[in-house]
Amino acid sequence: DTGVSQDPRHKITKRGQNVTFRCDPISEHNRLYWYRQTLGQGPEFLTYFQNEAQLEKSRLLSDRFSAERPKGSFSTLEIQRTEQGDSAMYLCASSKTGREQPQHFGDGTRLSIL
Amino acid sequence: QQQVKQSPQSLIVQKGGISIINCAYENTAFDYFPWYQQFPGKGPALLIAIRPDVSEKKEGRFTISFNKSAKQFSLHIMDSQPGDSATYFCAAPSGAGSYQLTFGKGTKLSVIP
Repeated sequence: DTGVSQDPRHKITKRGQNVTFRCDPISEHNRLYWYRQTLGQGPEFLTYFQNEAQLEKSRLLSDRFSAERPKGSFSTLEIQRTEQGDSAMYLCASSKTGREQPQHFGDGTRLSIL
Repeated sequence: QQQVKQSPQSLIVQKGGISIINCAYENTAFDYFPWYQQFPGKGPALLIAIRPDVSEKKEGRFTISFNKSAKQFSLHIMDSQPGDSATYFCAAPSGAGSYQLTFGKGTKLSVIP
């Protein structure tokens, strides 16, 4: 069990640029979640996948955000035309199927918008 | 949308003492309440979780107490150690049939020697 892996760990970009983050879940996990965490707050849900299907999206996921999980394995989260308010830690989690299956988090990608 | 209210925001406990963090939720339909521990620069790590049909669950020095009628649950850390210094989050499912978690705002625990 190698854990959830996220890349990059840190991303600094200028306002208006596009950024893409990658998440590699635990291999046998078919559920994958994206959360956003700002300083002093708990993680906020963005979206989740069951295999390759995106099943839930939060109102926080504006049309500048898009997430994919093309083969049901790794996932990417893209933010287009970044804004100052996008600065946050973007966390990925994965779990097995089942409501009480724990969500295991990666160490996140910290995004800073200049 | 599920709200999870967590208190206190910060907590200072002496080594060997008991740390107590409380959470309250709104919707009684929920069936899974995890607690996460987060160290600076790291993602949240699952600490312990409880179902509402159980009033208490203990794992080592960590105990969750659940009060279904009051819609409250709490985390007790016995014999608190400096290594327990971290931010703790309670969470609950965001809606019936939903798999997304709604987190509390967190409690920053500092255990002083």
